[in-house]
Amino acid sequence: SQKIEQNSEALNIQEGKTATLTCNYTNYSPAYLQWYRQDPGRGPVFLLLIRENEKEKRKERLKVTFDTTLKQSLFHITASQPADSATYLCAPKPTGGYNKLIFGAGTRLAVHP
Amino acid sequence: GAGVSQSPRYKVAKRGQDVALRCDPISGHVSLFWYQQALGQGPEFLTYFQNEAQLDKSGLPSDRFFAERPEGSVSTLKIQRTQQEDSAVYLCASTPGQNTEAFFGQGTRLTVV
Repeated sequence: SQKIEQNSEALNIQEGKTATLTCNYTNYSPAYLQWYRQDPGRGPVFLLLIRENEKEKRKERLKVTFDTTLKQSLFHITASQPADSATYLCAPKPTGGYNKLIFGAGTRLAVHP
Repeated sequence: GAGVSQSPRYKVAKRGQDVALRCDPISGHVSLFWYQQALGQGPEFLTYFQNEAQLDKSGLPSDRFFAERPEGSVSTLKIQRTQQEDSAVYLCASTPGQNTEAFFGQGTRLTVV
């Protein structure tokens, strides 16, 4: 069955460092992959979308890579700030069909001053 | 409206009680999704509407769960004879079309006692 794995342990880093979050998927080939941020008590908020024919996508301090051979996406936050502390969810979207998102469990990031 | 609106924000139900959760999507958004999120987990797909048509209800956990979107805008998720395992956050999301970012509401936290 389709499976999505994200770092299950919380990621603690020092302010100013680069945070790297991993998303691995098995048993399907996504047409694209989305990353969302979720704060406690709030719904997920869209951050970035990367397509299968793109290796890398950037938006301000965020960078996403997509390796369809390794079946992995990496999400980087450079110059991290305490305000970046949240849970980050990846959602690979299977090819075909409508925009049904299947989410990983998420990785909780804590950026310490 | 400015975003996806869900009501109520919090609902406490006695076991066996029926509940109805409301979602007001962004005006003009064709697609609407319901997700269930347990504590510490990612959102799990429940059902999908394109306009008023329910095209996928494969994620509904039992026949106690029912969703509708009669006029292609507001949607209601109804849970009959609630059980403790139904306790979760129920998220609604809408998208303007296919293969685009999803806009989530803040969710309804349901607690069954």
